[in-house]
Amino acid sequence: GAVVSQHPSRVICKSGTSVKIECRSLDFQATTMFWYRQFPKKSLMLMATSNEGSKATYEQGVEKDKFLINHASLTLSTLTVTSAHPEDSSFYICSAKLAGVFNEQFFGPGTRLTVL
Amino acid sequence: QKEVEQDPGPLSVPEGAIVSLNCTYSNSAFQYFMWYRQYSRKGPELLMYTYSSGNKEDGRFTAQVDKSSKYISLFIRDSQPSDSATYLCAMKRGNQGGKLIFGQGTELSVKP
Repeated sequence: GAVVSQHPSRVICKSGTSVKIECRSLDFQATTMFWYRQFPKKSLMLMATSNEGSKATYEQGVEKDKFLINHASLTLSTLTVTSAHPEDSSFYICSAKLAGVFNEQFFGPGTRLTVL
Repeated sequence: QKEVEQDPGPLSVPEGAIVSLNCTYSNSAFQYFMWYRQYSRKGPELLMYTYSSGNKEDGRFTAQVDKSSKYISLFIRDSQPSDSATYLCAMKRGNQGGKLIFGQGTELSVKP
């Protein structure tokens, strides 16, 4: 199946710093990628939809200036958490959509962000 | 009311048992129904998907959709310890938009 990678898998940072997370589709091109956030024992919450070459579409309640998304190529999308605070600590998961009959989303392994 | 409701569990069963996982939903516009398996600290992987109502079987897994009741199920036969994971249901309205609405996930533990 299609493979999606994320880097880093885990990051610990100090409050006030910015953190960049990369999401790559390794063996297919993805015009659309998605960024999710997951709290412990909670569901995945869609943060934004990232389309290659255009601005991301953010879900209601997600601060676009805090969570910067760039989708510069068909295989790479980045999420930058700016001026991170402890409440931003979470599990961030990306997915990439494979064009086809079902338009299946393939998920990355996730990035655990801890803000001290 | 959440669009998708799923009992978070945890659910513990002995090896070999039949497992039944369920979700209810409120939006009748949902047409595509998926079940994902998520191991601890990993991303979700798609197990099965169903379009509209009906049953779908894949090995030990059977997915059922009852649109009249807004209720979907995943059955796991002959459960194995390797099935221990969190199972998330997800739904979407149409095929092009791609926005998935997830349930909370049910944590399953299969004891040897």
